[in-house]
Amino acid sequence: GDSVTQMEGPVTLSEEAFLTINCTYTATGYPSLFWYVQYPGEGLQLLLKATKADDKGSNKGFEATYRKETTSFHLEKGSVQVSDSAVYFCALSENTGKLIFGQGTTLQVKP
Amino acid sequence: KAGVTQTPRYLIKTRGQQVTLSCSPISGHRSVSWYQQTPGQGLQFLFEYFSETQRNKGNFPGRFSGRQFSNSRSEMNVSTLELGDSALYLCASSSSGTSGRTDTQYFGPGTRLTVL
Repeated sequence: GDSVTQMEGPVTLSEEAFLTINCTYTATGYPSLFWYVQYPGEGLQLLLKATKADDKGSNKGFEATYRKETTSFHLEKGSVQVSDSAVYFCALSENTGKLIFGQGTTLQVKP
Repeated sequence: KAGVTQTPRYLIKTRGQQVTLSCSPISGHRSVSWYQQTPGQGLQFLFEYFSETQRNKGNFPGRFSGRQFSNSRSEMNVSTLELGDSALYLCASSSSGTSGRTDTQYFGPGTRLTVL
């Protein structure tokens, strides 16, 4: 079945450091890919998405490119802030009502 | 537009009881999906409703059920609660055509259920 694998956390960075969170997937079809973020005590917020190969999703300085050849959707940000501290989830959907999530990666940014 | 709302935000129940959680989707969204989030299992899909019909179902026992009303609001019910049902239950809504293709899902804040 379909699955998503994320790099294990926690990831601890200093403010203004470069961030990469790796995400790879397996899918039988041609899924849409997503990054969601969860702040403490809250639900999930959509961060960015991509629906076809080579699409780049971007939002709030975060970027991820849909790489079909490597089945990857790595999240990057050039300069993280303390306010970016949260749990990040990579997810896929075969365009049904079901999202399949990775296990989540906790990011801690220190001043 | 108002976001997805879920009520109640917190619930405490005892083993054997049943519970009903409510979700109001974003206006105009007809698809509602439910997820369970636990530290051990992560985020797992429960089911999806579209136009009052269950369209997709995850691998959960029959104690977990749901329904959707004509105004797209949805409820999920868990009967005979077990300690392992303690979790954050998240609802998400999306616009979805009759083709079955679902657009981006937008999540509510969740209901934190504690089973004692």
